[in-house]
Formats: sequence, structure tokens, C-alpha cells
Amino acid sequence: EAGVAQSPRYKIIEKRQSVAFWCNPISGHATLYWYQQILGQGPKLLIQFQNNGVVDDSQLPKDRFSAERLKGVDSTLKIQPAKLEDSAVYLCASSPGGGPSYEQYFGPGTRLTVT
Amino acid sequence: AQSVTQLGSHVSVSEGALVLLRCNYSSSVPPYLFWYVQYPNQGLQLLLKYTTGATLVKGINGFEAEFKKSETSFHLTKPSAHMSDAAEYFCAVIDSGYSTLTFGKGTMLLVSP
Repeated sequence: EAGVAQSPRYKIIEKRQSVAFWCNPISGHATLYWYQQILGQGPKLLIQFQNNGVVDDSQLPKDRFSAERLKGVDSTLKIQPAKLEDSAVYLCASSPGGGPSYEQYFGPGTRLTVT
Repeated sequence: AQSVTQLGSHVSVSEGALVLLRCNYSSSVPPYLFWYVQYPNQGLQLLLKYTTGATLVKGINGFEAEFKKSETSFHLTKPSAHMSDAAEYFCAVIDSGYSTLTFGKGTMLLVSP
């Protein structure tokens, strides 16, 4: 079974530029998560989708971050404009369902460096 | 708001020695508890989880953890460390009824020959 795919793996941009990340979850997984992992910290949830609807985006900085999950499969996370403090690894995860008993499977992440 | 505290950002052990990584949580209700491992440049992989039932949970790669409600702890142990165990370990919690994982800051395990 293929795992969660993410691209690109690495991205370097200048502040005020825009950037987009892509995630392809495990086939059949209804729930998709985006996490931000800043160096030296644990991952922090940015947004959770159930199929193509948003379940939780309370920690998403909506003035600059946006995310969508068209057709309930792939998802993109966008930052516009980027700030220095956005430098982090962005992890995508998927699970068969949205409850706590479902294991979340993580992709390899996209490492973003903002200069 | 719930929180997770991992004592020690780095833990060093010799190969063959006991591994003990500490995790304490704050939660007003019985939580779901998890340990994840992250190897360099890779995503997180679930080691083990506690939901209900037996408080001693066995996971992959010889790791186990014990849920102690009175101490609000979920420490991770392995009797004998292997070089391949060198990685970063994250403790996480979900309050029952929700699915949002709250992670600790992580503990880097260093294993020396």
C-alpha cells in the first residue's frame, strides 16, 4: 500500500513570496491533516479535512495560509505572503476516519526555508 | 487546554542499555495517548498507543509504555537499546471525542556503541 505522498520535499523562498505544497493521502482515507513542525517543537495541527469539508482550522493563520481538498482526495496548502517565521516542515497525514481510534499516517514532509 | 511535557530534549544511552523517555500530560478527561518516532528527513511513525483497557501497551521494535493515571504519565521504555533506535520521539495526546493530536516537543535519543 502506497503511503502519504508530499511534494516538493524542499523549498527555499524569499519572504513575501508565495508557495504551495501538495499532498496525496492514502487511497480511501477520508480524513486529511496538515501540520506545521517548527525546529525543536512537536507538530502543530493547522487544518483537518473530513472528505472535502473542513473540520478544524482554528490554528490556521487565515490571513496568509489557505488550504483546499478538492474532490476529497488530494490537498494543497498555500502560504501567501510568506514570513520568516513560516520556516518549518509541513507534514501531511491521513487516516481512515476522524475519530481518535484511527491511526494517522504521516508523509515525509516538505521542508520550507524562508530567507 | 491540554498539554504534553517531555522531560529532556536529548537522552543518551549506550547500546544494550535501558531506554526511558518520559512523558507527562495534562487532561481533564481520560485521554488517548501515543508515541511516535521520527527518523531524519522522514515523517512520523506510530510506535504504540493507549486507548482503553490494559495500561501496559506494547508497540513495534520492542518498545512499550505504561499509562499511569495517578501520575498523568505515559513513559516509553525499551529494555535494550539498538543503534537503529537513534531518532526523535514524540509523545502525543487526544482528548476522547476529538481527533486533534497535541504533541510534546520531542526527545532526541542518541545511542552510542
